[in-house]
Amino acid sequence: NAGVTQTPKFRVLKTGQSMTLLCAQDMNHEYMYWYRQDPGMGLRLIHYSVGEGTTAKGEVPDGYNVSRLKKQNFLLGLESAAPSQTSVYFCASSWPAGDPAYEQYFGPGTRLTVT
Amino acid sequence: AQSVTQLDSQVPVFEEAPVELRCNYSSSVSVYLFWYVQYPNQGLQLLLKYLSGSTLVKGINGFEAEFNKSQTSFHLRKPSVHISDTAEYFCAVSVPNAGNNRKLIWGLGTSLAVNP
Repeated sequence: NAGVTQTPKFRVLKTGQSMTLLCAQDMNHEYMYWYRQDPGMGLRLIHYSVGEGTTAKGEVPDGYNVSRLKKQNFLLGLESAAPSQTSVYFCASSWPAGDPAYEQYFGPGTRLTVT
Repeated sequence: AQSVTQLDSQVPVFEEAPVELRCNYSSSVSVYLFWYVQYPNQGLQLLLKYLSGSTLVKGINGFEAEFNKSQTSFHLRKPSVHISDTAEYFCAVSVPNAGNNRKLIWGLGTSLAVNP
């Protein structure tokens, strides 16, 4: 099993450009999440999904959109990148939150720089 | 409001010394508790978790944590650290959320630096 994979690993964007980050998991997890990690701010939840075709806003959703067309994939889009979106982005997946085995499995991250 | 506080942002320690990374949470409802580790330039991975039962939880790489309900703490310990334990450590608490869901509340992390 590959677990959780993220594409790309690194990206540099100019202000105003758009891009999509892809997250894929092969563990048949229902839940998927997008986080951003910034120095001194820990992990902040951007958006999450509790199943195929569903998405919900997290703590810092502004400037991002997501889609979950297939159970195994969760896409994060930046329509018009801003320097404030320079960050490391992590995708995670888990079983449903009520499951006793509930824990989140993380991808390796995407380092995004917006100039 | 529910929150997680990691009391030390940085912990320097010498190799083979013991270490304790402190985590306190505030919640009036039942919680699940987690410690995750992030090695440099990698994603997070689960170190250990407390769901129920024994309050002393053993995890990977020789780490353990103790759940103290009265003090609302979940401190992480290791009796003898290695250079390879140098990493960022995150405490997280799972609390009930809307519907039948739960959500994770994250601490800001503790950077453990093990020196030779």
